[in-house]
Amino acid sequence: EVQLVESGGGLVQPGGSLRLSCAASGFTFSSYSMNWVRQAPGKGLEWVSYISSRSTTIYYADSVKGRFTISRDNAKNSLYLQMNSLRDEDTAVYYCATESNSGSYYILDYWGQGTLVTVSS
Amino acid sequence: DIQMTQSPSSLSASVGDRVTITCRASQSISSYLNWYQQKPGKAPKLLIYAASSLQSGVPSRFSGSGSGTDFTLTISSLQREDFATYYCQQSYSNPRYTFGQGTKLEIK
Repeated sequence: EVQLVESGGGLVQPGGSLRLSCAASGFTFSSYSMNWVRQAPGKGLEWVSYISSRSTTIYYADSVKGRFTISRDNAKNSLYLQMNSLRDEDTAVYYCATESNSGSYYILDYWGQGTLVTVSS
Repeated sequence: DIQMTQSPSSLSASVGDRVTITCRASQSISSYLNWYQQKPGKAPKLLIYAASSLQSGVPSRFSGSGSGTDFTLTISSLQREDFATYYCQQSYSNPRYTFGQGTKLEIK
């Protein structure tokens, strides 16, 4: 059974830092690209960042570029999101999600339960 | 960036009703459109990919259609467990995904 378990969320002051982790099991983690998606309280879904299976390709949403860093450790079946210079608007539940494809059609097919990041003074 | 706009933002319906949710893209995205269902406090769940392909394990009362800029998600006969929020998502600019703002489906 595929499992993704996020951790590392919490309360942090504006300008602070936090590192999220996503522990993967039940599938060959090193074969899959991974994403972070966030959801502000009562709001919709926002894609945050992408990392390819071997970390050769990385993308960020403009809203987090230069502040967030995505990484992975395939030996530890883990995905990370280092978040620096946090702002009030970064308050959200952060989900990690696997990316799969059927031909040229890409999907986010497995999601973790999410971890809540609250940025507030 | 490709913008995705859903309508309506909220919808009240009864068990057994046929419901349609619409998603419009700001440019043509061919069939690169996915639909997700999210229940309160839970992660999103993939329902439909490539505009009309049913994800494994998803009930056949869910269907999707459309291509280019206009897409629809239809639930043929609403069940109690279908009351949730639904999101469309474009994968044309993969992996720079964008989602619609969501449609909250509530019990009438």
